[in-house]
Amino acid sequence: DTAVSQTPKYLVTQMGNDKSIKCEQNLGHDTMYWYKQDSKKFLKIMFSYNNKELIINETVPNRFSPKSPDKAHLNLHINSLELGDSAVYFCASSPLDRGFVGELFFGEGSRLTVL
Amino acid sequence: GNSVTQMEGPVTLSEEAFLTINCTYTATGYPSLFWYVQYPGEGLQLLLKATKADDKGSNKGFEATYRKETTSFHLEKGSVQVSDSAVYFCALSDEGGGADGLTFGKGTHLIIQP
Repeated sequence: DTAVSQTPKYLVTQMGNDKSIKCEQNLGHDTMYWYKQDSKKFLKIMFSYNNKELIINETVPNRFSPKSPDKAHLNLHINSLELGDSAVYFCASSPLDRGFVGELFFGEGSRLTVL
Repeated sequence: GNSVTQMEGPVTLSEEAFLTINCTYTATGYPSLFWYVQYPGEGLQLLLKATKADDKGSNKGFEATYRKETTSFHLEKGSVQVSDSAVYFCALSDEGGGADGLTFGKGTHLIIQP
């Protein structure tokens, strides 16, 4: 069984559209994250959720909204897509929110291409 | 804020060569340090970690030692294989733990030629 799974793996869409990427983890972890990886492979954290509570929201446009229906899921919804949103988006999870050395478990990524 | 600096790639080596990928960091307190590896078309996987000064993390023949005096966590392997070709990320975690996520370096693309 895949520990952290994302769908879709590839997404091609037009500017101005709204799209969602889903993420599920079956590890029983408490915290989930979304990272954005640009064309140069640079990784930047976008959000983290702990027990359905947003913990971090870095300088991400409000067109991006994370939605967590339960502890095992953290979906990423993007409104009014722009060319600069083209990237690979990674979902990740970790077991505890404090006192843990911070190991993350990553999904395989979702490649978003905005035309 | 925290930051991680890695050597720029791509790094191209022949099979069985010795590998060093440099990593230095800036952080307050005592962060935990990690190396992650990303194979083509896949997500990141933890390669090794160290949680305090002078700790050595090791896995699959790779090693890295947490050097607080030089704020470094260089990755080494004595004899690389073609299958080691991947992108390697150095990362750190605040003392507070995982809820703040990891701060990653920009990644080093390693290419091993037969």
